[in-house]
Amino acid sequence: QVQLVESGGGVVQPGRSLRLSCAASGFTFRNYGMHWVRQGPGKGLEWVSLIWYDGSNKDYAESVKGRFTISRDNSKNTLYLQMDSLRVEDTAIYYCARGESRKLGAWGQGTLVTVSS
Amino acid sequence: DIVMTQTPLSLSVTPGQPATISCKSSQSLLHSDGKTSLCWYLQKPGQPPHLLIYEVSNRFSGVPDRFSGSGSGTDFTLSISRVEAEDVGVYYCVQSTQPPWTFGQGTKVEIK
Repeated sequence: QVQLVESGGGVVQPGRSLRLSCAASGFTFRNYGMHWVRQGPGKGLEWVSLIWYDGSNKDYAESVKGRFTISRDNSKNTLYLQMDSLRVEDTAIYYCARGESRKLGAWGQGTLVTVSS
Repeated sequence: DIVMTQTPLSLSVTPGQPATISCKSSQSLLHSDGKTSLCWYLQKPGQPPHLLIYEVSNRFSGVPDRFSGSGSGTDFTLSISRVEAEDVGVYYCVQSTQPPWTFGQGTKVEIK
């Protein structure tokens, strides 16, 4: 079955960096675009970033543009999110999700990122 | 960015009764490919979201037929014909017609 497992979350000080990973299994990873979506504490969902199936195209929310970088390694079936210059407002659960024809058909359980001094 | 506005923000429903959630977008969601990229997701307590409806009215795999979606242009509706206890959670509409993808604020559904 389709499985997406995020890792790499934790507590980090403002201005520091963190890299999230999302390990995919149960489907042909290289055939799908992938997304990151986050949810601040007690808040709604916010789309963060997407990457095409082959990594040739990427897009970001304005709130993270220039600070976050999405990437993937299709040989390892893994999606990444490099988060630099972290801010308190980046505190959230980060979900990876499989994109298919402009919908998110599968989601991971999420990893919690806390940015605090 | 396209702004998605959901109403109501909370809903308390008696089991077996219908429920309706509205979602309005600030621009038409009709894509140049002729499809309207409006989805509905449900996030049950303590769980990640999961897809219910895509392209306005198509139920995703495994979604019960008591869930239905309708609408066009800028006005969309999610309907639950007979609410069950397992339907509690927060419902989100999302547009993916134009980047960046944007979510509604969410509608919290509780059981009376």
